Amino acid sequence: QVQLVESGGGLVKPGGSLRLSCAASGFTFSDYYMSWIRQAPGKGLEWVSYISNLATTIYYADSVKGRFTISRDNAKNSLYLQMNSLTAEDTAVYYCARALVAGRFDFDQWGQGILVTVSS
Amino acid sequence: EIVLTQSPGTLSLSPGERATLSCRASQSVSSNYLAWYQQKPGQAPRLLIYGASSRATDIPDRFSGSGSGTDFTLTISRLEPEDFAVYYCQQHGSSPPITFGQGTRLEIK
Repeated sequence: QVQLVESGGGLVKPGGSLRLSCAASGFTFSDYYMSWIRQAPGKGLEWVSYISNLATTIYYADSVKGRFTISRDNAKNSLYLQMNSLTAEDTAVYYCARALVAGRFDFDQWGQGILVTVSS
Repeated sequence: EIVLTQSPGTLSLSPGERATLSCRASQSVSSNYLAWYQQKPGQAPRLLIYGASSRATDIPDRFSGSGSGTDFTLTISRLEPEDFAVYYCQQHGSSPPITFGQGTRLEIK
């Protein structure tokens, strides 16, 4: 069955960096567009970034543009999010999610999420 | 950026009743690009509806979506105990930004 498993979260100081990973299994990862979506504690969902299956198309939310970098390694069935210059506003559970169909931006499979806490 | 406003913020109903959740957009959204998700405490969201009215895989037919333009609705025809959760609408065009509504909490009365 489809599985998305995030890792790499934790506590980081303001201004610090963190790299999240998402290991995919149960489907042909290289066929699917992927995204990162986050949820601050007790809050709603916020889309963060999106990458096409061959990484030729990438989008970022304005709130993370210039600080976060999305990437993927299809040979390793893995999605990544490099997060730099972190602030308290980046504290959230980060989900990796699979786009329903190539080029669409609705998401039919989600990981369990990984918590990132930015605090001194 | 299109802002989605969901109402009500909290809906209190009993099992067996019908639930109607609203999502209003600040400008017109293509029906093809409106989705609904369900999220239970401690869990990831689950896609229920995409393209405003198409049910995702394995979603029971008591869930239905409708609407166009700026007004969209998620209807749960007969509530089951497992349906009590938070529901989010989401819009996307042919490219980002992607936005979510603030959510409607469906609670047991």
